[in-house]
Amino acid sequence: EAQVTQNPRYLITVTGKKLTVTCSQNMNHEYMSWYRQDPGLGLRQIYYSMNVEVTDKGDVPEGYKVSRKEKRNFPLILESPSPNQTSLYFCASSLGENGELFFGEGSRLTVL
Amino acid sequence: GQSLEQPSEVTAVEGAIVQINCTYQTSGFYGLSWYQQHDGGAPTFLSYNALDGLEETGRFSSFLSRSDSYGYLLLQELQMKDSASYFCAVRAPMNRDDKIIFGKGTRLHILP
Repeated sequence: EAQVTQNPRYLITVTGKKLTVTCSQNMNHEYMSWYRQDPGLGLRQIYYSMNVEVTDKGDVPEGYKVSRKEKRNFPLILESPSPNQTSLYFCASSLGENGELFFGEGSRLTVL
Repeated sequence: GQSLEQPSEVTAVEGAIVQINCTYQTSGFYGLSWYQQHDGGAPTFLSYNALDGLEETGRFSSFLSRSDSYGYLLLQELQMKDSASYFCAVRAPMNRDDKIIFGKGTRLHILP
């Protein structure tokens, strides 16, 4: 089954404790992206990757890092989480031709 | 800057027709997409318009006018299960890459 898998789905952590949200897709998509969703603000892009070893900042990259060592994986790293990073995070992938993004189920992160 | 405008909320009656509008202002344009998101779920792709005109897929249709920087999603024979948020998204060139920019979403309420 074609899918984008994120882990963990839910996480409560404390300020400053490094965490990684993993994202994996099995569709051989070149394009992958991370979004955060906050009430009233829609989906805002954090980082994206056009292919292996190619990553670029989105609209809200501060406080986040990503890597793309393999085509299927695109982890999101919060080196020192802060409460303003409490949000719902979505990973997505796409063939990149028609704008059809396939989303993971989301990861709800709470930073205390 | 780049922006997409859509109404924050729309209410309609079961069995009726509803139109959700989206206007965009971007430097460059490849196409307009629509996504549906139910509460607690991930966004799912509905449609993509690269050329002017109406695209129909079952009860849902999407329209694009590139000259007006405007599009809409038309939902016919509304069902209670159509209660969800709907996002328009523009695929646009950004430096050497493509970028997908989302609107803030329209919450569709359906009354029995």
